[in-house]
Amino acid sequence: DTAVSQTPKYLVTQMGNDKSIKCEQNLGHDTMYWYKQDSKKFLKIMFSYNNKELIINETVPNRFSPKSPDKAHLNLHINSLELGDSAVYFCASEGANEKLFFGSGTQLSVL
Amino acid sequence: SQELEQSPQSLIVQEGKNLTINCTSSKTLYGLYWYKQKYGEGLIFLMMLQKGGEEKSHEKITAKLDEKKQQSSLHITASQPSHAGIYLCGAGHSGGYQKVTFGTGTKLQVIP
Repeated sequence: DTAVSQTPKYLVTQMGNDKSIKCEQNLGHDTMYWYKQDSKKFLKIMFSYNNKELIINETVPNRFSPKSPDKAHLNLHINSLELGDSAVYFCASEGANEKLFFGSGTQLSVL
Repeated sequence: SQELEQSPQSLIVQEGKNLTINCTSSKTLYGLYWYKQKYGEGLIFLMMLQKGGEEKSHEKITAKLDEKKQQSSLHITASQPSHAGIYLCGAGHSGGYQKVTFGTGTKLQVIP
């Protein structure tokens, strides 16, 4: 069973559209993250949730809205998509000693 | 500002050769993690280092954390095509709910 699963794996959409990326973890962890990997492969933290509460919001445009219906899920909704939003988005779940378990990523292409 | 710098940014080696990737922090590290990302896939945890001078090995990969806990190196012995990918160091920082920040990544290609 996949520990951290993200859907969809690929997302191609037009500018101005609204889209969501879903993430689920079956590890029983309290803390989950969203990371954005840019074209240079640099991973930058976007959000962190602990037990459904927002802990970290790293100066992300408010077009990005994370939603955590329960601690096993952290979804990412993006409004009014822009070309610069094109990237790979990774969801992660945090276990003991800050060890992160990553999803396989969602490659978002905004046309 | 970038807290973690990795070098080199990319590396192409012949199969069987040894290689080293470095990760340098501008702050003292409270935990240093090495991850590997295979092309188009998620990140796989390799190793975690917490103590100054600590060294860990897994198969042909050895990671070290210096005494000052500001620099780590990842060494691969007798590289194989299966080692190809992007290697990322991640650092945990003290205080409250911690977040792991990542280095700039090193892209490794191993030529058969």
